[in-house]
Amino acid sequence: DGGITQSPKYLFRKEGQNVTLSCEQNLNHDAMYWYRQDPGQGLRLIYYSHIVNDFQKGDIAEGYSVSREKKESFPLTVTSAQKNPTAFYLCASSTSGSINNQPQHFGDGTRLSIL
Amino acid sequence: GDSVTQMEGPVTLSEEAFLTINCTYTATGYPSLFWYVQYPGEGLQLLLKATKADDKGSNKGFEATYRKETTSFHLEKGSVQVSDSAVYFCATGAGNNRKLIWGLGTSLAVNP
Repeated sequence: DGGITQSPKYLFRKEGQNVTLSCEQNLNHDAMYWYRQDPGQGLRLIYYSHIVNDFQKGDIAEGYSVSREKKESFPLTVTSAQKNPTAFYLCASSTSGSINNQPQHFGDGTRLSIL
Repeated sequence: GDSVTQMEGPVTLSEEAFLTINCTYTATGYPSLFWYVQYPGEGLQLLLKATKADDKGSNKGFEATYRKETTSFHLEKGSVQVSDSAVYFCATGAGNNRKLIWGLGTSLAVNP
């Protein structure tokens, strides 16, 4: 079955540590997205990528970094510069084509907590 | 700029009650409109969508009609079940960069 796989499901970060969240998709989608979800704040876009080797900052990119070396993969690194990383992180992907008509498909999320 | 406004929750209903969750949007052009559902501890799932004015999206007993004159996309279901308890998000594909604009989500709890 095609889909998006996020790992790990739960992740703990120590102070001053960088951690990387994995996102892999086998839907052959061009575009991929990372969101952060906090209680009562909906979804906030961290980074997005519409094509391999290219990505753009979203609304809350500070303290995060990404890479898009392969079409299937879009890992997110939460750096030590992100002072409040505790949240639920969601990865999504969508096809190219008509710009405004494509839904996004989501993984099951990674819950990151501070030790 | 483009935005989506959803009614605030939580919404609490008894089983078999009628559900309406309001969603209005501001956008230029003719964006697609989406409803997503998020069950506890999971990612979001596309519930339904509509791509042009007067389109009605429907799935699992839920419906929403794209009303351009009122810039609305209200979610409705005639008879909710306990299993419908979740958070519902309205979103629009407004803009020219393939990003979605999200509402803040509405939590629904259905009691037996």
